[in-house]
Amino acid sequence: GAVVSQHPSWVICKSGTSVKIECRSLDFQATTMFWYRQFPKQSLMLMATSNEGSKATYEQGVEKDKFLINHASLTLSTLTVTSAHPEDSSFYICSARVSIGGGARDTQYFGPGTRLTVL
Amino acid sequence: AQSVTQLDSQVPVFEEAPVELRCNYSSSVSVYLFWYVQYPNQGLQLLLKYLSGSTLVKGINGFEAEFNKSQTSFHLRKPSVHISDTAEYFCAVSPPNDYKLSFGAGTTVTVRA
Repeated sequence: GAVVSQHPSWVICKSGTSVKIECRSLDFQATTMFWYRQFPKQSLMLMATSNEGSKATYEQGVEKDKFLINHASLTLSTLTVTSAHPEDSSFYICSARVSIGGGARDTQYFGPGTRLTVL
Repeated sequence: AQSVTQLDSQVPVFEEAPVELRCNYSSSVSVYLFWYVQYPNQGLQLLLKYLSGSTLVKGINGFEAEFNKSQTSFHLRKPSVHISDTAEYFCAVSPPNDYKLSFGAGTTVTVRA
């Protein structure tokens, strides 16, 4: 099946620094990628939808200036957490959509996630 | 807007016993329904999905789920579990023709010998 990778798998950074997380579709092209955030023992919350070559669409309550998303190619999307603070510590998961006709009939393939800890 | 409630946060079960994971949803429109599994240190993997048609849906690894519109439920079942079924299970919904998923909080299944 389709594989999505994320890099790094975990990162620890100091407060105030920026961190970039990569999401790659390894064996397919993804016109749309999604970024989720997951707190311990909680659900995945959609942060933003990223379309190749255009600006990301952010969900309500997500700061677009803090969570910068770039989808420069059909196989790569990046999430940059700018000026990270301890409250940004979380598990970040990306997914990539394979289009087979549009709508929810498409299948989303998920990456393994990135654990961010901000000290 | 849609919401998903997974009624059990943790389900311990013995190997070869049956398991049922409960999922209820709330939506003002019809929805598509999904179950995903997350094994330790891995991404989410689609187990099965209901889009339309037969309310009993069969998925991978011997799992099945039944859509009950009147009870707004989509419970996941497996008649006989294995140790390898130990994982986190997520129920999710999306409106038709919209790929945005709303997830439940997840159910941790622990299978013991």
